[in-house]
Amino acid sequence: DAGVTQSPTHLIKTRGQQVTLRCSPKSGHDTVSWYQQALGQGPQFIFQYYEEEERQRGNFPDRFSGHQFPNYSSELNVNALLLGDSALYLCASSRYARGYNSPLHFGNGTRLTVT
Amino acid sequence: GQQVMQIPQYQHVQEGEDFTTYCNSSTTLSNIQWYKQRPGGHPVFLIQLVKSGEVKKQKRLTFQFGEAKKNSSLHITATQTTDVGTYFCAYIQGAQKLVFGQGTRLTINP
Repeated sequence: DAGVTQSPTHLIKTRGQQVTLRCSPKSGHDTVSWYQQALGQGPQFIFQYYEEEERQRGNFPDRFSGHQFPNYSSELNVNALLLGDSALYLCASSRYARGYNSPLHFGNGTRLTVT
Repeated sequence: GQQVMQIPQYQHVQEGEDFTTYCNSSTTLSNIQWYKQRPGGHPVFLIQLVKSGEVKKQKRLTFQFGEAKKNSSLHITATQTTDVGTYFCAYIQGAQKLVFGQGTRLTINP
């Protein structure tokens, strides 16, 4: 039973560029959430996708966008990268129907470095 | 929105000593979850508490939710080197949006 998988593992980009990160949820999960974790900090919620729609959004600018596909996998896109976007990007999956009784399962993350 | 504050930010102990981290909120929380993140790893769900005064145990780990549902604690008895990592409390806001505390980083001297 595969857990949450993310790709790529590491990525180095230049300021102003665009990046796409990918996530496949755990088998049986239909909801994908994205979190940004700066060094030494707790993860910060970016947004959540369910049924291919953005359901909740955190305090992140429109440069951050996402998509969910019919197979529940998801992408996170960040445009016009800033140095401050350097962080670990975590994808988490869950089952929407269980509400808050469905703990999040996190992937290993993508380490993004912006130079 | 609501914030949860964790203390201490760092804790270094000798192997075999106990460890406690605290999570505090200024407002009542409907639930609290605890996650562990190993160095270089990702957060792993440990437990969820939802009832006032709830206490749950997992081997050497004891989790408590305060009577007023404004604070929570995680206590580890007789730490082992495998306990190294950062422990986060978090609560769910809306439909499965997790709000994390800053975490307590635990290091252990073997």
